[in-house]
Order: sequence, then C-alpha cells, then structure tokens
Amino acid sequence: DVQLLESGGGLVKPGGSLRLSCAASGFSFSTYGMNWVRQAPGKGLEWVASISSSSSYVYYADSVRARFTISRDNAKNSLSLEMTSLRVEDTAMYYCARDLRGGAGAATRPHYWGQGDRVTVSS
Amino acid sequence: NFMLTQPPSVSESPGRTVTISCTRSSGSIASNYVQWFQQRPGSAPTTLIYEDNRRPSGVPDRLSGSIDISSNSAFLTISGLKTEDEADYYCQSYDTNDHLVFGGGTRLTVL
Repeated sequence: DVQLLESGGGLVKPGGSLRLSCAASGFSFSTYGMNWVRQAPGKGLEWVASISSSSSYVYYADSVRARFTISRDNAKNSLSLEMTSLRVEDTAMYYCARDLRGGAGAATRPHYWGQGDRVTVSS
Repeated sequence: NFMLTQPPSVSESPGRTVTISCTRSSGSIASNYVQWFQQRPGSAPTTLIYEDNRRPSGVPDRLSGSIDISSNSAFLTISGLKTEDEADYYCQSYDTNDHLVFGGGTRLTVL
C-alpha cells in the first residue's frame, strides 16, 4: 500500500523557518512526481509546490516562491519542504501527495495523499 | 492562468442524485485533466475521480465524473446519496505551466 507520512510541523514565529518531510513507502518513490498542498484552517486546498521524479521540474505557487524550497532524496524515499520567512498566512495543514502516474514529467495529478502535518505561524 | 469555480454548498436528500459543478474561467476544460477529491471533516483528501471520469479502485460506481465543453465545466455526480457522502469536494486541474489549480470546494449536506 502507498503510504505517505509527513513530519516536522509545529509552532514557529513569523519570520522563522521550518522543514517538513514526507516519508514515502509502498511504491517506487524515484519514479513518481510529488506535490505539497496546504489547507489553512477552515479554508480550501491550495497547491504549494511540485517536483518531478528526478527533480528536473520544480514549480511553486506565487504565494511561496522565493521563500519555500521543495526537494527530494530518492535514495531515502523522502520529500522535503524547506520553509523560510514564514508568515501568519502560511499557517495550515500541509499534505504531501504522490502523482497519479510515474514518469519523468511534471506532477499534475495528485492521487495518493498523506495525513498531513500542521504548521502554525504565530508570535 | 485560470480559476475553477465551484458552488460553496449543495444539499440533497438520501437516495437522491446530486451534481457538483466546476467551471473553468478561461481556456478549455478539455485542455487539461480534471480530478475530484473528497475530504471528510478532520481527514486528508482522497481521490474520487481522476482524468475527468476515471474511478480509482474502491470508489463505487454511483460516483461519476464528466466534462462539458459547452459550459466549460466538469461535473461530479453522486447518485443514491448516503449520509456518509457528507463531505467537502474539490476539483483540480493544472495550467500550461504545470501549476496545479484547485476549485474552492463544495460542502455537500445530505439531509
């Protein structure tokens, strides 16, 4: 079974940094694109960033570009999201999601979702 | 870039059929696949429909997806409504830059 387990969330002050991780198992991690999607309290889903299987394609939402960095370690079956210059509006549940199909292209169809990890930015 | 617009809420009685719309603001709905996700309170999203109208294994056939070019919309139809269908539903597609776009979500009430 596909399993995705996020970790690293917590409480951080505005302007601070945090690194989220997503441990993947149950599939060949190195062949699938991955996404980070977040959900602010009481709000809808918002795409944050995506990365292709070999890291050739990396994309960010305008709201996080230049502050967040998505990366992956295929040897460790792990996806990461480095978040810097955090703002109150970054407060959300962060989900990692595996793309529908394997391959070298961009990750455009999230299919399997982790349970999420909460990030709270507050002074 | 484009937006996906969903009705904030819909409600229907058990056993009936409900259809949730997802309208693309610009560009053709047929240009990029649409996915649909269900999210129950306190839970992560799960995939109900992928690539416009395909169901993952385990999703019952009383759920179906479609697109309509004339209205530039995608639709999620749930027939034989059950109380367990009460949830938030999101559509999703992607733009020419491979950036994901989510609809605002629709809360389904089964009353």
